[in-house]
Amino acid sequence: EIVMTQSPATLSVSPGERATLSCRASQSVSSNLAWYQQKPGQAPRLLIYGASTRATGIPARFSGSGSGTEFTLTISSLQSEDFAVYYCQQYNNWPTFGQGTKVEIK
Amino acid sequence: QITLKESGPTLVKPTQTLTLTCTFSGFSLSTSGVGVGWIRQPPGKALEWLALIYWDDDKRYSPSLKSRLTITKDTSKNQVVLTMTNMDPVDTATYYCAHSTVGDWFDPWGQGTLVTVSS
Repeated sequence: EIVMTQSPATLSVSPGERATLSCRASQSVSSNLAWYQQKPGQAPRLLIYGASTRATGIPARFSGSGSGTEFTLTISSLQSEDFAVYYCQQYNNWPTFGQGTKVEIK
Repeated sequence: QITLKESGPTLVKPTQTLTLTCTFSGFSLSTSGVGVGWIRQPPGKALEWLALIYWDDDKRYSPSLKSRLTITKDTSKNQVVLTMTNMDPVDTATYYCAHSTVGDWFDPWGQGTLVTVSS
């Protein structure tokens, strides 16, 4: 099983600031990585697939990078609606998710 | 527009079998490359992938739960059914179904259904 480790567990950021979230795979997943956003009481929403391709309708302030075992999700200027939990998921092997990073208001 | 909706019991007893149905619209499970997956999330915890079924009836299961899971599709009804045997309180979670295509990422997701396992 490929284990996905996200850091930090919680990220405190002020509105308008940049947020950088990390995701590490226990073995290479190439670029087979997706990022999701989940708000309380809602289903996850796809943000990024293929490590760096934004899903339809996702604002340009969300960007993904990385390959192999190290990945990053960057939110360039946090808006109020971006405070949520973010999950990474690899699909190089059977799908596995990270434990999530909560982005909270500082 | 693709939509999915989960349905099934909200409460099951330990040792019982859970049967969940995902009813979808906006796509066909007979189209090449299309799949439907099930993912669950215990209260306050992370997401866990359970199973995937593809347009060609190929099926994949989480290795840790494979012995307890069965996924099937009814293309004519636009439904995917997941059964999980021998339910335990640790299986209490919100269960989601989701559309996948090309790669095994999930988009969009259903609203989810909370299943509680308790006697």
